[in-house]
Amino acid sequence: AQTVTQSQPEMSVQEAETVTLSCTYDTSESDYYLFWYKQPPSRQMILVIRQEAYKQQNATENRFSVNFQKAAKSFSLKISDSQLGDAAMYFCAYRGYSGAGSYQLTFGKGTKLSVIP
Amino acid sequence: DARVTQTPRHKVTEMGQEVTMRCQPILGHNTVFWYRQTMMQGLELLAYFRNRAPLDDSGMPKDRFSAEMPDATLATLKIQPSEPRDSAVYFCASGFRGFGPNTGELFFGEGSRLTVL
Repeated sequence: AQTVTQSQPEMSVQEAETVTLSCTYDTSESDYYLFWYKQPPSRQMILVIRQEAYKQQNATENRFSVNFQKAAKSFSLKISDSQLGDAAMYFCAYRGYSGAGSYQLTFGKGTKLSVIP
Repeated sequence: DARVTQTPRHKVTEMGQEVTMRCQPILGHNTVFWYRQTMMQGLELLAYFRNRAPLDDSGMPKDRFSAEMPDATLATLKIQPSEPRDSAVYFCASGFRGFGPNTGELFFGEGSRLTVL
């Protein structure tokens, strides 16, 4: 079974600075997807960024980028120019590529990010 | 603006009572998931439907939980009888999965916060 580990329960960053959230995963599959979701106090789960394992290029979405290391099974999220609105829980998630049961998301336990004004 | 709709947003009930949570997936989506979020366990998959058929409910306590999709516009999660340990936020998510691998995103509802006294 796939597992996702987020080793940092809490992180903090000064406004306008850069922060990196860590995620590692375990899988025997060669093709899969990785995601970062943001959950603000409103509880809404918001997709931040997505990476396909077959792509070597790291995904970027505006101030958000990932460092995907397939061999190391590592998938970190970098937030640049942090803003107060970035304060939230961040979840790393894994999804298989094919098969009847592989469409589900497996989540890490989350990292609570605080942004200091 | 298409979104997943969950009701109720909040529910407080007493131990032993029946609880039903409802989810309206996004029109056209053919997969529906139920997740439970707690502080201790994080986000756990309870059930997964594709084209209204249950594909995986291994994460759901069978003695008291049941999940159904009576039609394509409604998914339900029922707990009977409820227990204090069922207190959690329950999320519904929907997505579209076609033939073969795809990168279909999952869209989450705002969750139903259940408190069992």
